[in-house]
Amino acid sequence: AQSVTQPDIHITVSEGASLELRCNYSYGATPYLFWYVQSPGQGLQLLLKYFSGDTLVQGIKGFEAEFKRSQSSFNLRKPSVHWSDAAEYFCALVHGSSNTGKLIFGQGTTLQVKP
Amino acid sequence: GAGVSQSPSNKVTEKGKDVELRCDPISGHTALYWYRQSLGQGLEFLIYFQGNSAPDKSGLPSDRFSAERTGGSVSTLTIQRTQQEDSAVYLCASSAGGTQYFGPGTRLLVL
Repeated sequence: AQSVTQPDIHITVSEGASLELRCNYSYGATPYLFWYVQSPGQGLQLLLKYFSGDTLVQGIKGFEAEFKRSQSSFNLRKPSVHWSDAAEYFCALVHGSSNTGKLIFGQGTTLQVKP
Repeated sequence: GAGVSQSPSNKVTEKGKDVELRCDPISGHTALYWYRQSLGQGLEFLIYFQGNSAPDKSGLPSDRFSAERTGGSVSTLTIQRTQQEDSAVYLCASSAGGTQYFGPGTRLLVL
């Protein structure tokens, strides 16, 4: 069965430090992968996506993610975290072989930023 | 341009009452999805509409839940005889080309 695992429920980093949020997936073929961010009381905002091609994808707000097929991972990174990045982050993949199916989400990682 | 909108933003209801939640997708998006976000269960898929095809209802938790999409645009999620475990944030998303864009959600509290 397809699934997404975010091993870290909560991460705290200092402002200006680098960030890596982990995401592992289970899927038999190359998945369509996404990272979304959710601020308190808000909906989900798309940060970036991977459909095919270059395995290093750039997103909004200075985020990037790297698709590694050998590790079944799609980790999110940012070189220097800002206080406004504090939020909950969700990794997701599309169920099925098409990119239009339902999303399967990881459990989410809450990011806290220390001043 | 305008994003996905949902109404109401918040809804408080009494156990046993019916509620209707509305979603206005991004204009031109053929696919529309409903998800539920709750503390215990995370983000769960409920139902998916794609064009004129029969909807994928595989995520609806019980027959108290139903949804329709009129004219290929606005969608309404109806929960009948609400229960306390229905309390959650209900998120709607629409897409064209595979990327789903989410609305702000409706926070439902069942007393």
